[in-house]
Amino acid sequence: GENVEQHPSTLSVQEGDSAVIKCTYSDSASNYFPWYKQELGKGPQLIIDIRSNVGEKKDQRIAVTLNKTAKHFSLHITETQPEDSAVYFCAASNPLRNAGNMLTFGGGTRLMVKP
Amino acid sequence: KAGVTQTPRYLIKTRGQQVTLSCSPISGHRSVSWYQQTPGQGLQFLFEYFSETQRNKGNFPGRFSGRQFSNSRSEMNVSTLELGDSALYLCASSLTADEKLFFGSGTQLSVL
Repeated sequence: GENVEQHPSTLSVQEGDSAVIKCTYSDSASNYFPWYKQELGKGPQLIIDIRSNVGEKKDQRIAVTLNKTAKHFSLHITETQPEDSAVYFCAASNPLRNAGNMLTFGGGTRLMVKP
Repeated sequence: KAGVTQTPRYLIKTRGQQVTLSCSPISGHRSVSWYQQTPGQGLQFLFEYFSETQRNKGNFPGRFSGRQFSNSRSEMNVSTLELGDSALYLCASSLTADEKLFFGSGTQLSVL
């Protein structure tokens, strides 16, 4: 089955700096890659996603890049703010093969933005 | 638009008991998935239901089961609880397959 590895497990940045979180996946058939943000006491919140027919996607301060050849994708957060502090998860899936939503998650990255 | 609603928010059970967790998806969403989140194993897929049919199942023992009703609401059941079942159980819904997944806040289950 699919295996997703995520690095780093913790990341501390100064407010205003950029943060980059990287994930690699094992199944070359995976074609959907969402990123989730989880704050304390809450469920994961979808922040951005990308499909395999696109190499990059941006939404304000957040961007995701995908390299299908190398089987890795990354989350980029620019101009970080204290409210960006949370645990971030990457995930991968192949909705068509699985005939449904079955996400395989990375281990998570705890991002701390220091004011 | 209301989000995914999970009840109860917290639950304490003892070993050997059984538990039922409930999930109400976003209005109009027909797919409901369940995930288990623990510090050691992270987020792991349990199962997914679409139009009352189980479409996918993760690698969990048969003690974990679920169902979906005609109004898309879903329940999951864990029988003969073990200490290792202590976890945050998350429900997520989507319109159909190949759609974005939206999570609820979860049910925190503690098995003593």
